Amino acid sequence: EIVLTQSPGTLSLSPGERATLSCRASQSVSSSSLAWYQQKPGQAPRLLMYGASSRATGIPDKFSGSGSGTDFTLTISRLEPEDFAVYYCQQYGGSPPWTFGQGTKVESK
Amino acid sequence: EVQLVESGGGLVQPGGSLRLSCEASGFTFSRDSMNWVRQAPGKGLEWVSYISYTGLTIYYADSVKGRFTISRDNARNSLFLQMNSLRAEDTAVYYCARDFYDFGIDYWGQGTLVTVSS
Repeated sequence: EIVLTQSPGTLSLSPGERATLSCRASQSVSSSSLAWYQQKPGQAPRLLMYGASSRATGIPDKFSGSGSGTDFTLTISRLEPEDFAVYYCQQYGGSPPWTFGQGTKVESK
Repeated sequence: EVQLVESGGGLVQPGGSLRLSCEASGFTFSRDSMNWVRQAPGKGLEWVSYISYTGLTIYYADSVKGRFTISRDNARNSLFLQMNSLRAEDTAVYYCARDFYDFGIDYWGQGTLVTVSS
């Protein structure tokens, strides 16, 4: 089973600042298999990025993804109030099980 | 508009059974693979099970293998999860979720809460 470790656990930033979230895999993951999700309290997750760097439909370009192998990054260029949420990475589409990271909470400082 | 509506959650005793349903609309259900994903209270996401659009390919997380059974009825645009031998650690919100061409999960239902407790 591939273990995904996200860091930091919590990121305290102000609106307008840049957020950089990390997702590290215990073994190499195909870039096409790495996805990022946003989840707000009381809501279902929302797909942000797939294939490590492709934005899902309707996702603004302030969100970007990068990485390969075992190290992946989600960047939010300028935080807006609606971006404060929990973010999860997931490896999906290769051999199951399709694991999630434990999440990074982006909170307002 | 894609909609996924789960039902069937509730309170069940340890060792009991429950069957979750998910009614899909707004897309051609028979052409899309589907998943169940769960989230324990205050915890992260856990992928539970996958079924291909034909129903011929099925996967389970080790934590539920042998106890849960995923199935689908393409004629009724419905996805199911039969959960047997339930344990306290199965307590979670269960989401029905659509596969996005093996790249991720692009649509999620609102979830249904399953509570396993005596």
